[in-house]
Amino acid sequence: EDQVTQSPEALRLQEGESSSLNCSYTVSGLRGLFWYRQDPGKGPEFLFTLYSAGEEKEKERLKATLTKKESFLHITAPKPEDSATYLCAVTQGGSEKLVFGKGTKLTVNP
Amino acid sequence: GAVVSQHPSRVICKSGTSVKIECRSLDFQATTMFWYRQFPKQSLMLMATSNEGSKATYEQGVEKDKFLINHASLTLSTLTVTSAHPEDSSFYICSADPRRGGETQYFGPGTRLLVL
Repeated sequence: EDQVTQSPEALRLQEGESSSLNCSYTVSGLRGLFWYRQDPGKGPEFLFTLYSAGEEKEKERLKATLTKKESFLHITAPKPEDSATYLCAVTQGGSEKLVFGKGTKLTVNP
Repeated sequence: GAVVSQHPSRVICKSGTSVKIECRSLDFQATTMFWYRQFPKQSLMLMATSNEGSKATYEQGVEKDKFLINHASLTLSTLTVTSAHPEDSSFYICSADPRRGGETQYFGPGTRLLVL
């Protein structure tokens, strides 16, 4: 059973069309939930870390939120340069190990 | 953020040969680095945790004799794929945690390995 599940697998948006990506997790003792952006052929680029339910963080057009079961990455008025795969990962307990979801591939058309 | 580099970025080798990949933290020291593997359209899978001055810790199912890890200094970890085979072809990515009040591991740009 996957500990981190992301949906949808792929999402196509028109420029300016806001939407949300979902990351649900089943780990106990969540230590942190992480969002990364990955461009093709590149390593993941850090976006946000969330630690507790109710926490929110924003960066430009992106806003990440966290509940006890899931996290959302909201994209407001996306631009074509926001096209990438967005990865969610968690750490639990005293471990530093990141457990990744399979990602959501976002395509923003001009 | 913090900068992590990898070398080489791409490598092609013949089956049976060994390949070494370097991971460097450029502006911070890292007692711990992590090595991941990513197959096409799949997410990152942790292979091993590299500890400076001690043996690496491998994840279940990862052959420690095939994937040799050396963390000889606080800024360098190496992954050697020994006797590489075509099924080892993948995207290898390292990460490191600056541990300076920041929030996450920072990832290198990855190394694309193709074994012919």
